[in-house]
Amino acid sequence: GENVEQHPSTLSVQEGDSAVIKCTYSDSASNYFPWYKQELGKGPQLIIDIRSNVGEKKDQRIAVTLNKTAKHFSLHITETQPEDSAVYFCAASKGTGGFKTIFGAGTRLFVKA
Amino acid sequence: DTAVSQTPKYLVTQMGNDKSIKCEQNLGHDTMYWYKQDSKKFLKIMFSYNNKELIINETVPNRFSPKSPDKAHLNLHINSLELGDSAVYFCASSQDLGAGELFFGEGSRLTVL
Repeated sequence: GENVEQHPSTLSVQEGDSAVIKCTYSDSASNYFPWYKQELGKGPQLIIDIRSNVGEKKDQRIAVTLNKTAKHFSLHITETQPEDSAVYFCAASKGTGGFKTIFGAGTRLFVKA
Repeated sequence: DTAVSQTPKYLVTQMGNDKSIKCEQNLGHDTMYWYKQDSKKFLKIMFSYNNKELIINETVPNRFSPKSPDKAHLNLHINSLELGDSAVYFCASSQDLGAGELFFGEGSRLTVL
């Protein structure tokens, strides 16, 4: 079955710097790659997603890139702010999207003011 | 109005007891899920229901019994609780099996003593 690996497990950046989180997936049939942000005491919330027919997607300070050949995808956050501090999860699924989404282990991002 | 709500938020109980967690979504979604998040933040799917029908049972012990009385509700009953059941349990929903985005509740933290 699908396996999603996520690195790093912890990331600390200075406010205003960029943060990059990387994921790899094992199942070449996966075609949907969402990223979720989980704040303390809350459930994960979708922040951006990308489908396999697209190489890059951007939404304000957040961008995601996908390399299907290498089975890599990455989250890029520019101009980080303290409120970006949270746990970020990458995920992958195939065929029917939300059905059996497999999550990475999470990255705890600290943004220091 | 909370989209996916689950109760209780906190549950502390003794080993061997039976407990239930309730979940309701007011988004009109067809598909609901239970995820387990362990102490290392790893998110793992347990069950998925589509229009009250069980779709996924990820080799969860049969001490865990989900019930979906209608497509807006998915409850989780756990018998004979064990120490290893301590975790945060998240309910989630998606528009249907083909929809990518998962909408999570705020979680129910279960502590088994």
